[in-house]
Amino acid sequence: NAGVTQTPKFQVLKTGQSMTLQCAQDMNHNSMYWYRQDPGMGLRLIYYSASEGTTDKGEVPNGYNVSRLNKREFSLRLESAAPSQTSVYFCASWTSGRVFSYNEQFFGPGTRLTVL
Amino acid sequence: DAKTTQPTSMDCAEGRAANLPCNHSTISGNEYVYWYRQIHSQGPQYIIHGLKNNETNEMASLIITEDRKSSTLILPHATLRDTAVYYCIVRVGAGGTSYGKLTFGQGTILTVHP
Repeated sequence: NAGVTQTPKFQVLKTGQSMTLQCAQDMNHNSMYWYRQDPGMGLRLIYYSASEGTTDKGEVPNGYNVSRLNKREFSLRLESAAPSQTSVYFCASWTSGRVFSYNEQFFGPGTRLTVL
Repeated sequence: DAKTTQPTSMDCAEGRAANLPCNHSTISGNEYVYWYRQIHSQGPQYIIHGLKNNETNEMASLIITEDRKSSTLILPHATLRDTAVYYCIVRVGAGGTSYGKLTFGQGTILTVHP
């Protein structure tokens, strides 16, 4: 199992450019998440998808869109990148279950995005 | 989800126990205490969680006070590789309407020194 994978690992954009961050999980998890982390800060939730076919806003959704392409894949799109979106982006997945071992959230390695 | 309060930073000598405190005085009866850590800006890693009983796994122990208003994460024999940011998070468990969402604070920077 690869767990949660993210592409690309690094990206530099100019203000106004668009891009899509890709995330995939191979653990058959129902729920997927996008977080961002600014320097010295904890992670903040951008969007999440509780199950295939549904998406909802998190704490900081402005400037982003998401697509839950299928159960495995959850993408994050920046339509018009701004310097304030310079951050590290983490994707995560999770599934509910009665067994405690299913309660942990698994995170990808992150995408480091710089917007000039 | 209840908010948590953690010290900004802590130090620990290699081989000694690291005890990381967390206050969560507004925790509700159906909320669990979760601990995650983040090493070198990698993705956060789950450590342990509990509801009201003390818990232990291969990584750590979690001690929750009887009134559940605070907890302590214990790394019994800290190594240099345990240097990381440790996050204490409180949220409802599986099946709750939080849909697994995690609310991260700033965490505790644990530095393990030789």
